[in-house]
Amino acid sequence: NAGVTQTPKFQVLKTGQSMTLQCAQDMNHNSMYWYRQDPGMGLRLIYYSASEGTTDKGEVPNGYNVSRLNKREFSLRLESAAPSQTSVYFCASSEALTGDGYTFGSGTRLTVV
Amino acid sequence: QKEVEQNSGPLSVPEGAIASLNCTYSDRGSQSFFWYRQYSGKSPELIMFIYSNGDKEDGRFTAQLNKASQYVSLLIRDSQPSDSATYLCAVNPAGYNKLIFGAGTRLAVHP
Repeated sequence: NAGVTQTPKFQVLKTGQSMTLQCAQDMNHNSMYWYRQDPGMGLRLIYYSASEGTTDKGEVPNGYNVSRLNKREFSLRLESAAPSQTSVYFCASSEALTGDGYTFGSGTRLTVV
Repeated sequence: QKEVEQNSGPLSVPEGAIASLNCTYSDRGSQSFFWYRQYSGKSPELIMFIYSNGDKEDGRFTAQLNKASQYVSLLIRDSQPSDSATYLCAVNPAGYNKLIFGAGTRLAVHP
């Protein structure tokens, strides 16, 4: 019963490098989300996908792109990493917001130097 | 900007006491409300959700919702040191398929 799987768990990037964070869920959920969490600021929504084939910006989308590859997978790409993107990134999924809320992945700790 | 506000804490309570965590939200049309617990270095885990005004109880946890006052709270009875964590309040604003999170309240239960 894997739930939501994120890879990698840790990553160090140099400024200007690019990378893709991967997320996959095995619960047949329609909606998927990417959040970042910074000390004292809680979880802030980067992008979300309400259903396969759709994506929408959240509160802090600048510097990121996403792809909803299929119903299971939702990736987050940093095209040119900046130190301000140092954070913990969480992927989450949900069937609907009336019900069980989100199921979160274990997170990716990203440091940009 | 739709907002969810929580006192950052830390809220310190003795073992066995009742811990009361509070949350206010700005979108009057919000429909559903969630409490997540997050241990240090871990991902958030859902502990309670509530949709209707009033109280909802699950074991040692009680969620309280007052939509007129735009206020939701979480009571933890018989607090244990294992309850020490950050508690995140989350709100589903009307018309949005997403959750807005508060910054969280850190709870410390001391023996």
